[in-house]
Formats: sequence, C-alpha cells, structure tokens
Amino acid sequence: QKEVEQDPGPLSVPEGAIVSLNCTYSNSAFQYFMWYRQYSRKGPELLMYTYSSGNKEDGRFTAQVDKSSKYISLFIRDSQPSDSATYLCAMIHASGGSYIPTFGRGTSLIVHP
Amino acid sequence: GAVVSQHPSRVICKSGTSVKIECRSLDFQATTMFWYRQFPKQSLMLMATSNEGSKATYEQGVEKDKFLINHASLTLSTLTVTSAHPEDSSFYICSASPGKKGYGYTFGSGTRLTVV
Repeated sequence: QKEVEQDPGPLSVPEGAIVSLNCTYSNSAFQYFMWYRQYSRKGPELLMYTYSSGNKEDGRFTAQVDKSSKYISLFIRDSQPSDSATYLCAMIHASGGSYIPTFGRGTSLIVHP
Repeated sequence: GAVVSQHPSRVICKSGTSVKIECRSLDFQATTMFWYRQFPKQSLMLMATSNEGSKATYEQGVEKDKFLINHASLTLSTLTVTSAHPEDSSFYICSASPGKKGYGYTFGSGTRLTVV
C-alpha cells in the first residue's frame, strides 16, 4: 500500500461545477498537507497548505483535512477551463529533522466550457 | 513569495554527453533542495535531497554516479546527468523551501531532457 493514494482520473466536469479532489494516506505521522496544481510541462505550483484538521478557504479553493480518517480534499467552486490541470496532494512528516514531502500521483482535471 | 528558477527549460543532447541543470532560489536561502523526476502522467519521483555544503542523499535505485548533484551555495543546486542515454529522457524538477515549518515547497519550472 502506498503512503498516499490519489485517483489519477481524468476527472471531467462542465464549467461552473464544484470539483472535489481527494487523497487518502496511511501514515499518521503526516503533519502538513499541501495541494499543488501542475499545468502540462510546468513545475507544480503550491495552491494551499494546512497543518490541522478542518477547512481552509482561499478564494474558490477550500482544503479540508480529516486526520481521524486520514483523508484530505480540495474543493474548487465555480470551476473554470483554466483550472484544467493535474492536482497533486503532498504530505510532510518530520523525519530526522528534515521535512521531506510525499506526493500523490496527481489527479488530472478537465473543465470543459 | 518564494521563487525558484530552473534552467534550461528544455534541452536536447546526444547520447553519451552530459547535461547540467541549474536550480536557484531567488529570494530566499535554501539549505535543502530536492530533485525530482517525472514521467508522463506520473507523479513526482524523488531522486535526491541536496544539502548545502555536504553530499546529496540519494533515494534507493538512483545512481549517484550518473546523477551528480552539487549544492555549492545556499541559493544554487545543480544536477548533472552524466553519459546520458535515451532512457534518461524525462522531466526533471527541483524544489526548495525557505525552511519554515509547513511553509510548503516551491518548485522550479522543470527541465525537459531529451536524449537522442
């Protein structure tokens, strides 16, 4: 079992839809949780990070963490074609003092007009 | 915000030659930088952790003599692919963090390496 599981998709939705992206994890030592957006042939771009259970909102994006269930989500409201990209979740736990992130494999999102 | 500059963005080289990729943190000092490899439609595969002033830590299965990493300063790390072969063709990405807990990691824009 991988430490971080993420459905690769693709997930195809119409413009304006609410998108839900999810990751599950097995290591309860993970402390920090991040979501990255990656456009084709570009480096990942940090969207959000959280370090506690609950919700964090930033514009159209909401990150949700449920540590008891080892489950994190990213919600995108009013999705736009420009949101079409691969979304990667990432998690960090302190290992010998170095914070090395573990990534999910990414979910490909397609928002069609 | 934290910015990481990576170049070249794209390089084509002949089999047997070496290629150097640079990763610079522009507005912060990075004690640690990470090098990743990404295959099409796959996630990021951590290759090595680059530590300023010391040897890099390589992940299992990554040949350290083939992928030479140098972290000469707090703002620069380089990855040299030596004696490149077509199977080394991939997308290479570096990342760094200002070091604050939970800050998150900033990625470079990636380098598309094609070995012909």
